[in-house]
Amino acid sequence: DGGITQSPKYLFRKEGQNVTLSCEQNLNHDAMYWYRQDPGQGLRLIYYSQIVNDFQKGDIAEGYSVSREKKESFPLTVTSAQKNPTAFYLCASSISQSSGNTIYFGEGSWLTVV
Amino acid sequence: AQSVTQLDSHVSVSEGTPVLLRCNYSSSYSPSLFWYVQHPNKGLQLLLKYTSAATLVKGINGFEAEFKKSETSFHLTKPSAHMSDAAEYFCVVSDLDYGGSQGNLIFGKGTKLSVKP
Repeated sequence: DGGITQSPKYLFRKEGQNVTLSCEQNLNHDAMYWYRQDPGQGLRLIYYSQIVNDFQKGDIAEGYSVSREKKESFPLTVTSAQKNPTAFYLCASSISQSSGNTIYFGEGSWLTVV
Repeated sequence: AQSVTQLDSHVSVSEGTPVLLRCNYSSSYSPSLFWYVQHPNKGLQLLLKYTSAATLVKGINGFEAEFKKSETSFHLTKPSAHMSDAAEYFCVVSDLDYGGSQGNLIFGKGTKLSVKP
């Protein structure tokens, strides 16, 4: 079945560690996104990518990094520079960034700092 | 500036009664509009989508929404609530003319729907 797979579902990080969240899609979508969701709040865009080897910062990119070496993969690294990383992270994809294209979401990953 | 306002952060209804979740937006002449549902600890699932065809859009699970340009609204409705509808709902606008740091997707803050037996 086509879809977006995020892993791991739950991840714990110690202070000062970098961690990487995986996102893979087999929908043949060009555009991919990473959002952060805090309890009781909406989604905030971290990074997005419209094409392989290209990505742009969203509203809250500080302390995060991404890569887009393959069309189907868009991993997110949460670095030690991110001071408050505990949150629910959602990966998404769409055919392109143009208006009207539906965005599809993965099941999300919980990151907790211990 | 582009924006999406979900007018209620929390709506509570009884099972079998109608649901109304309100969304207002500011955007360009022809935005695309979406409603998504999110159950606890899950990703967002598309309920329905408006892209300048019929102004009344029917979605999954008996939900529908009406695009009213004069009121800049896209309210989500369902005639009869079911216990399984309890979730959080997000209104989203996609506007090609908006080139901000969000790309061109603008999310509302969400409305949590509770359904009482």
